Amino acid sequence: SQKIEQNSEALNIQEGKTATLTCNYTNYSPAYLQWYRQDPGRGPVFLLLIRENEKEKRKERLKVTFDTTLKQSLFHITASQPADSATYLCALDLSGNTPLVFGKGTRLSVIA
Amino acid sequence: DTAVSQTPKYLVTQMGNDKSIKCEQNLGHDTMYWYKQDSKKFLKIMFSYNNKELIINETVPNRFSPKSPDKAHLNLHINSLELGDSAVYFCASSQDERTPQFFGPGTRLTVL
Repeated sequence: SQKIEQNSEALNIQEGKTATLTCNYTNYSPAYLQWYRQDPGRGPVFLLLIRENEKEKRKERLKVTFDTTLKQSLFHITASQPADSATYLCALDLSGNTPLVFGKGTRLSVIA
Repeated sequence: DTAVSQTPKYLVTQMGNDKSIKCEQNLGHDTMYWYKQDSKKFLKIMFSYNNKELIINETVPNRFSPKSPDKAHLNLHINSLELGDSAVYFCASSQDERTPQFFGPGTRLTVL
């Protein structure tokens, strides 16, 4: 069966450390993979998009990798800050007329 | 200058009632979506419209009927509300089906 899993429901890290969130998928062949941030009581906000032929994408303190062999994407936040605390969602873009498939998200807490 | 707006933000109603949620985007996007996020925070696509035409209709009870009067608006009408309809409903838009999505603030629907 098809599955998309994000490593853990919650992740706590110390301020200044690098947070690494994992998105694994099974029986999908995404053309793209997107990462979103969601704060409590708000809609998701787009962060980064990575294509299947790209290994890595960066934006300021954010870095995303995409390994189609391992069927995994890693999302890194370097020098994390309490303001980075939020739920992070990965979403598979399967191309064609299929909708984005979202993972359940990982709730990140950065502790000062 | 809100990009994607939804009304109302909160909706509390009795079982069996009919209600509507409105969505408007001022980004000039061609594609709009309705998502449901349940109590487990799982974000699931319901409908997708491109240039006022329905392109994705996931397995949703036919009590839910989307309507797109023009490219900038996508409303959701729900008939005969049930307890299980309680959730947060998000509207989103994107330039096309392959580009990042911009989400509205959500409408929290509570059916009593």
